[in-house]
Amino acid sequence: AQSVTQPDIHITVSEGASLELRCNYSYGATPYLFWYVQSPGQGLQLLLKYFSGDTLVQGIKGFEAEFKRSQSSFNLRKPSVHWSDAAEYFCAVGAYSGGGADGLTFGKGTHLIIQP
Amino acid sequence: NAGVTQTPKFQVLKTGQSMTLQCAQDMNHEYMSWYRQDPGMGLRLIHYSVGAGITDQGEVPNGYNVSRSTTEDFPLRLLSAAPSQTSVYFCASRLDRGTYNEQFFGPGTRLTVL
Repeated sequence: AQSVTQPDIHITVSEGASLELRCNYSYGATPYLFWYVQSPGQGLQLLLKYFSGDTLVQGIKGFEAEFKRSQSSFNLRKPSVHWSDAAEYFCAVGAYSGGGADGLTFGKGTHLIIQP
Repeated sequence: NAGVTQTPKFQVLKTGQSMTLQCAQDMNHEYMSWYRQDPGMGLRLIHYSVGAGITDQGEVPNGYNVSRSTTEDFPLRLLSAAPSQTSVYFCASRLDRGTYNEQFFGPGTRLTVL
């Protein structure tokens, strides 16, 4: 079974500074990888996804993520954060098992705080 | 499209009471699921459905029942509420069971059991 680790529970970044949120996964084959964002009091929204091909993927709201197979990582980055980026961020790994399981596993989330 | 809708947004129950959390989607998605979100625990899958008439258990199914009589609706039933079921509940849907499909989430139901 796959698993996801987000090592940082909380991260504080100054507005305008760069951001990197870490995600490590465990899966026996090439996974499908996702980043979701949850604004306060809202549901989750997909930021970006990786299936295959170019290891650097672009998403919405100026976010990007890089898949590194050798490090089993899929870190999320943004060059300059805005106060509106304050939210909870979830990394997820998907595996289409075809055998009846859901196949989508979420990390426990990273809470991003933006300092003025 | 309304996407994934959930009702109610907030609910307070007493221990032992029953209730149904409603979920509907208008995207003709085959796959629907229920998660609960607790502090420090991330999202945990309760039940899921790969199509009308088909449901299966997720990671934390105890105390919850589901049914899927139509493609659009996937209600979650708490038969006898317990304080441990205090949580935020999210319904989600995607085109089919393939996890390469984008998963859409509802706005959530915040449930408190006293």
